[in-house]
Amino acid sequence: SQTIHQWPATLVQPVGSPLSLECTVEGTSNPNLYWYRQAAGRGLQLLFYSVGIGQISSEVPQNLSASRPQDRQFILSSKKLLLSDSGFYLCAWSWQRGGADTQYFGPGTRLTVL
Amino acid sequence: AQSVTQPDIHITVSEGASLELRCNYSYGATPYLFWYVQSPGQGLQLLLKYFSGDTLVQGIKGFEAEFKRSQSSFNLRKPSVHWSDAAEYFCAVGGDYKLSFGAGTTVTVRA
Repeated sequence: SQTIHQWPATLVQPVGSPLSLECTVEGTSNPNLYWYRQAAGRGLQLLFYSVGIGQISSEVPQNLSASRPQDRQFILSSKKLLLSDSGFYLCAWSWQRGGADTQYFGPGTRLTVL
Repeated sequence: AQSVTQPDIHITVSEGASLELRCNYSYGATPYLFWYVQSPGQGLQLLLKYFSGDTLVQGIKGFEAEFKRSQSSFNLRKPSVHWSDAAEYFCAVGGDYKLSFGAGTTVTVRA
């Protein structure tokens, strides 16, 4: 069966510091991978998605970037965090690309920027 | 552009009572529709999905949803709520390359 992991589970960082959040998927190959951010009362916002190694599509221009160095690894990064980067970050994967397939979510990372 | 509206931000229901969560979508073609549930501090779990066929879809934990094309709706229902159903519920519509989520409905269950 497939499993998706995210770490760390929680993170408190000062403004201006760098960020690296990691997501890995087990039990499948060549998954489609997604990063979402969830702010209170605002649902989920798609940040990035990837259909393969090194292939990243950005949904919203912002202070964050994503990379996919290995088939089942997806990393969310920032060089300098802003207060507005605080939120709950969720990684997800799917078999098929896009909206015509179920996405399976990881447990999330709670990021607080102070 | 695809979008989802969940009109109810918060619903309180008594344990054992029925529950209905509303979802309206906007999408130009035949939609792929999903309901997810999120417990506090956790990821999202798929409750059910509609791709085609029977417009009444059964899911896990006793939930069901009905797709009504004429009303652009995909409402979620449960006949008898349990205390463990307290959570946040998200409706989503799948388009060409992504899912778009509603803002969510928080369900509180009172004894």
